[in-house]
Amino acid sequence: KAGVTQTPRYLIKTRGQQVTLSCSPISGHRSVSWYQQTPGQGLQFLFEYFSETQRNKGNFPGRFSGRQFSNSRSEMNVSTLELGDSALYLCASSLDPGQAPEAFFGQGTRLTVV
Amino acid sequence: QQQVKQSPQSLIVQKGGISIINCAYENTAFDYFPWYQQFPGKGPALLIAIRPDVSEKKEGRFTISFNKSAKQFSLHIMDSQPGDSATYFCAASESGGTSYGKLTFGQGTILTVHP
Repeated sequence: KAGVTQTPRYLIKTRGQQVTLSCSPISGHRSVSWYQQTPGQGLQFLFEYFSETQRNKGNFPGRFSGRQFSNSRSEMNVSTLELGDSALYLCASSLDPGQAPEAFFGQGTRLTVV
Repeated sequence: QQQVKQSPQSLIVQKGGISIINCAYENTAFDYFPWYQQFPGKGPALLIAIRPDVSEKKEGRFTISFNKSAKQFSLHIMDSQPGDSATYFCAASESGGTSYGKLTFGQGTILTVHP
C-alpha cells in the first residue's frame, strides 16, 4: 500500500508570491490534515479536510488555505508569501480521526521563501 | 490548555541503555496519545499510541506508560540502538467535539544513542 505522497519535495519562492502544495493520502483514507514544522514553533496544525469539507482550522492567517478533491487528494495554498513562511509543510492522512485516529505523515514539502 | 509539554529537549544514552521521554498535558478531553519518530529530511512516522483506558502498551522495544490522574505519559525505549537516534514527538488528540484531525504536539526530544 502506497504511503502519503507530497509534491513537490522542495520549493524556493520569493516574498509576495503564492505557492500550492499537493498531498495524496493513503488509499481509502478520507481525512487529510496539514501541519507546519519550524525549529522555533515545532509542529503546528493548519487545517483538516474530510470528504471535501474543512472541518477544523488552526491559528494561521487567511493567507493559508486548502481544499480537498473528491478523490481525497488535497492541496494547500499560501498567498503573499513572507519570509516566516519558510518551513517544512507536512500532510497526514487517516481513515477518520473520530473513529480511527492513526495519522500517517508524508515526507513533507520544504518551502524556502527568499 | 491545549499544550503538550515534552521533556527533555535532548537525550544522550549509550547503546543498550534505556531512553525515557516524558510528556504532560492539561486538556482532559484528550483521548488518544501517539508517539512519532522523525529522522532528518523525513516526515514523522507513527511509532506507538495509547488510549487512556490502559496504563501501559508495549510494542517490541517501545513502551508507553500512561498516568491518567497525573495527566502524564512517557515513552521508554529499551535496549536503545544507534539506529534509534532521531527526534521523538509526543502528541495528543480528542476524538469528540470539533477538534477533527488535530494533533497537538510536544516540542520534541532529540535522542542520540552512542555506540
